[in-house]
Formats: sequence, structure tokens, C-alpha cells
Amino acid sequence: DTEVTQTPKHLVMGMTNKKSLKCEQHMGHRAMYWYKQKAKKPPELMFVYSYEKLSINESVPSRFSPECPNSSLLNLHLHALQPEDSALYLCASSQDRGSHYQPQHFGDGTRLSIL
Amino acid sequence: GENVEQHPSTLSVQEGDSAVIKCTYSDSASNYFPWYKQELGKGPQLIIDIRSNVGEKKDQRIAVTLNKTAKHFSLHITETQPEDSAVYFCAASSNDYKLSFGAGTTVTVRA
Repeated sequence: DTEVTQTPKHLVMGMTNKKSLKCEQHMGHRAMYWYKQKAKKPPELMFVYSYEKLSINESVPSRFSPECPNSSLLNLHLHALQPEDSALYLCASSQDRGSHYQPQHFGDGTRLSIL
Repeated sequence: GENVEQHPSTLSVQEGDSAVIKCTYSDSASNYFPWYKQELGKGPQLIIDIRSNVGEKKDQRIAVTLNKTAKHFSLHITETQPEDSAVYFCAASSNDYKLSFGAGTTVTVRA
């Protein structure tokens, strides 16, 4: 079982809805990530938080809004999504030790479908 | 930016045989190379990684080799089993957070 827990596992929403994806880890990791993965493609980085501060935003549309309330939790708030936003959304975490790269550990994702 | 190419895109092997997946990268500054296994309905799972100061690393039936001069690295799975069937992604990184992934290899182990 993965040590990064994501909820819900599946989400179906209309284009006018507002919903949130949640991610939790208790490994003491201080870097947390959101990725988007389309079918048969590798994950694409969306956001990186380091010590609860947004460190990287890969030019993601504003209809995706990340939030890191504390060192264990990461949220992704969704509003006015488009059908092309349907995908698997993955959360990951890693130690944050400056220049020394640390492995990222992924959750099992939220399968999002936009009607 | 970094560009990682992965081959083959699909690989079918008989149970008990070996499987080899190869990746090349473009950025000579890359110094960390993880491999992920993704089963259906699951997230990517880190199975092995290697840093640029090491040429080879083994973990039971899995090994990774790195040739920095040629900018390529490979995953070797020996004595394949049906549970090895999955999509495998290689990746490379030259900084703290960003992973550049290969396109993936779908491995099927035939019983």
C-alpha cells in the first residue's frame, strides 16, 4: 500500500461545479507535488510545494488552485473545469534537502471525469 | 530542457526470460535516474533509482545501469514473473524537484 493517500479515488463533476482533491502523507516529507496523467502518457508536473510554500507552478490554468494547509496535507481545488481536464491526478511527496535530489513517492491518484 | 527517450514502447516476454528497457537523455547535467512501475489503477511506484556517481545498482531481480558518457541508462528485469506486467517509466532529473519522464514501456509477461 502506498504511503501517500489520495481522496476521493474517483470524481465525476460538471463544468460548473467546485470540488477539491485531497492528499495526505505522514512520512515527514516537506516537498509535495501535483501531477496530471492522461491515459497511456507519463505524469506531467503541475505544482510543487516546499515547506508549505508554492515553489513551482508549471503554467497551470487558474481553474486549478493548489493549497498546502500543513506539512502533511495538500489540496487541489477545482472550478469551472473543461472536458480536456479529465485525467488521473497524482499526488507525490519527497524529502526536501536542497540540492540533493530525493525520490518522489506517489499516491494512487484521483480519477477525474468532467461531464 | 531535458528530453528523455524510452524504448521499446511495448515489450512481451515469456515468463522466466529477461526484460530490458532503455532510455537516453539529453541534459548532461542530469544526475538522478529513477525507474517507476505503474500497475493498472495504481500510481507510479519507485522500483529502483541510480545517481550519476554510480554505474550499476541491483535489487534482487532488478538492476539499472548508467552510462553517463553515452547519456543512456537501462532497466534489467531477470526471471520475469506475471506480476512484473505493468507500464514502466524511466526519468531523469538535474534539479531538486523536476522529473523528466520517458514515454513509458508496457511490459507483458506471458505465462
